[in-house]
Amino acid sequence: EAQVTQNPRYLITVTGKKLTVTCSQNMNHEYMSWYRQDPGLGLRQIYYSMNVEVTDKGDVPEGYKVSRKEKRNFPLILESPSPNQTSLYFCASSFSQSNQPQHFGDGTRLSIL
Amino acid sequence: GENVEQHPSTLSVQEGDSAVIKCTYSDSASNYFPWYKQELGKRPQLIIDIRSNVGEKKDQRIAVTLNKTAKHFSLHITETQPEDSAVYFCAAGGSYIPTFGRGTSLIVHP
Repeated sequence: EAQVTQNPRYLITVTGKKLTVTCSQNMNHEYMSWYRQDPGLGLRQIYYSMNVEVTDKGDVPEGYKVSRKEKRNFPLILESPSPNQTSLYFCASSFSQSNQPQHFGDGTRLSIL
Repeated sequence: GENVEQHPSTLSVQEGDSAVIKCTYSDSASNYFPWYKQELGKRPQLIIDIRSNVGEKKDQRIAVTLNKTAKHFSLHITETQPEDSAVYFCAAGGSYIPTFGRGTSLIVHP
């Protein structure tokens, strides 16, 4: 089954404790991205990757890191999480940069205390 | 970069009525306009998309129209049903990283 898998689905943690949210897709997509969703603000892009070893900042990259060592994986890293990063996070993938439909993961709800 | 405005932010209709959600975009080079539906607690899923070489596309009760001159596109849902209740996002892509609107919460009252 074609899918984008995120883990964990839920996480409650404390300020400053490094965490990683994993994202994996099995559709051989080149393009992957991370979004955060906050009430009233819609989906805002954090980082995106057009292919292996190619990543770039989206609209709200501060406080986040990503890596793309393999085509299927695109982890989101919060080196020193803060409460303002409490949000619902979605990973997405597609066949090309921006003119193909995106496939979203099921989301990760992060709470930073 | 691209800027996408979506209106209204909330739309409440009676079952059987039509619903229209409108989006405008700023980058004339954008050529791909998808619409996503997000049910409560779930991921956004593509429901329909349109490319700049057509002005309208229809899929059963859902249609999308595109006016490239005016840089706006709209989602039309006819004969709404309670299961249409969700948040709907428009997006614009093709020239830049895809940019999403802020979403419209559609409520269909039985």
